Amino acid sequence: DTEVTQTPKHLVMGMTNKKSLKCEQHMGHRAMYWYKQKAKKPPELMFVYSYEKLSINESVPSRFSPECPNSSLLNLHLHALQPEDSALYLCASSQVERQPQHFGDGTRLSIL
Amino acid sequence: GNSVTQMEGPVTLSEEAFLTINCTYTATGYPSLFWYVQYPGEGLQLLLKATKADDKGSNKGFEATYRKETTSFHLEKGSVQVSDSAVYFCALRTTQGGSEKLVFGKGTKLTVNP
Repeated sequence: DTEVTQTPKHLVMGMTNKKSLKCEQHMGHRAMYWYKQKAKKPPELMFVYSYEKLSINESVPSRFSPECPNSSLLNLHLHALQPEDSALYLCASSQVERQPQHFGDGTRLSIL
Repeated sequence: GNSVTQMEGPVTLSEEAFLTINCTYTATGYPSLFWYVQYPGEGLQLLLKATKADDKGSNKGFEATYRKETTSFHLEKGSVQVSDSAVYFCALRTTQGGSEKLVFGKGTKLTVNP
């Protein structure tokens, strides 16, 4: 069982829809991450939050909007996505320094 | 820049065979190194880690030694099982803008046949 919980597990949406992905952890970690993983590829970092503040944005298109309402919760708001955005979206968390990242099982997103 | 190169596979072995997956890295300083495993339909799980030169990480029969002189962190297991079938990612941890991030290799798919 993973200690990082992501919902929903699967999401199908049209290009004009607005939806959100949710990630939750209760390990007291103060760094949280969003990754995008295409099939047969490694995860690609999208965003990093450290102490609820955005610290890294890897030049992600504005149709992806992250939010960290508190230290346990991380959201990814989606709007006007493109078919090429279909992928597995992984959330991870860690202690801020020098500790491994713990991953959730991901949300598999399909854009119609 | 920081990068990780690992053998891409796929690797197919029979049960009880010996496994080696090569991983080399390029980085400034001495980054922490990791092996993550991804089973079908799941996220990544930390398999093992090493934080300094000559450290050996081990877990579930897997081992990897941080070799500074060869900038390598090869994954080994003496006797694989069918349940080890998965994709294995080598990664290093680096710092950007005061935050830590992982740089992954491309992944190696392992299939173990009975």
